[in-house]
Amino acid sequence: GQNIDQPTEMTATEGAIVQINCTYQTSGFNGLFWYQQHAGEAPTFLSYNVLDGLEEKGRFSSFLSRSKGYSYLLLKELQMKDSASYLCAPMDSNYQLIWGAGTKLIIKP
Amino acid sequence: GAVVSQHPSWVICKSGTSVKIECRSLDFQATTMFWYRQFPKQSLMLMATSNEGSKATYEQGVEKDKFLINHASLTLSTLTVTSAHPEDSSFYICSAHTGTGGHQPQHFGDGTRLSIL
Repeated sequence: GQNIDQPTEMTATEGAIVQINCTYQTSGFNGLFWYQQHAGEAPTFLSYNVLDGLEEKGRFSSFLSRSKGYSYLLLKELQMKDSASYLCAPMDSNYQLIWGAGTKLIIKP
Repeated sequence: GAVVSQHPSWVICKSGTSVKIECRSLDFQATTMFWYRQFPKQSLMLMATSNEGSKATYEQGVEKDKFLINHASLTLSTLTVTSAHPEDSSFYICSAHTGTGGHQPQHFGDGTRLSIL
């Protein structure tokens, strides 16, 4: 089957760094997306990885290891507005995104 | 770029009413659009994949006669919830690819919160 494993909830302090891990199993693989979803809102696209390694985009970076079925999202210089759910969504062989429940990130002052 | 507009944002209506939700790609053409449903604190659930000029592909367990999808142009897809009941109350979100390749991200509309009384 296809599944995604992310921590349900994480807490971090404003200004700090946090890493959200994701392990996945899919039927085939065509890359992995990270989305941010604030409560009551639709997801917004953050990053895409299809090759192994680190992709950096401002305060956010995403890493992928295809052989390990593992990805992480790294958030630096945390701000209160970063409080949201972060969704790891791998794409299977049919180009379908597989969605988990995501990780709820709580930022404290 | 890559703006997806979804309308309406909120709908409150009586049981038995049919509700139409529109999803538009404003600055790009979307051959494929996706319709999702999300219940509180749960993951996104893909309902159907909407292809311009052809019938939508529904996920297992989604009633195609209840959730009518029309993708009449490259910039517009509609979802009609027919004879809605309280159990259909949910957050409905559409998304679209910016390109024809599967490696493009899906960009989401703002979602429609549907409440059936």
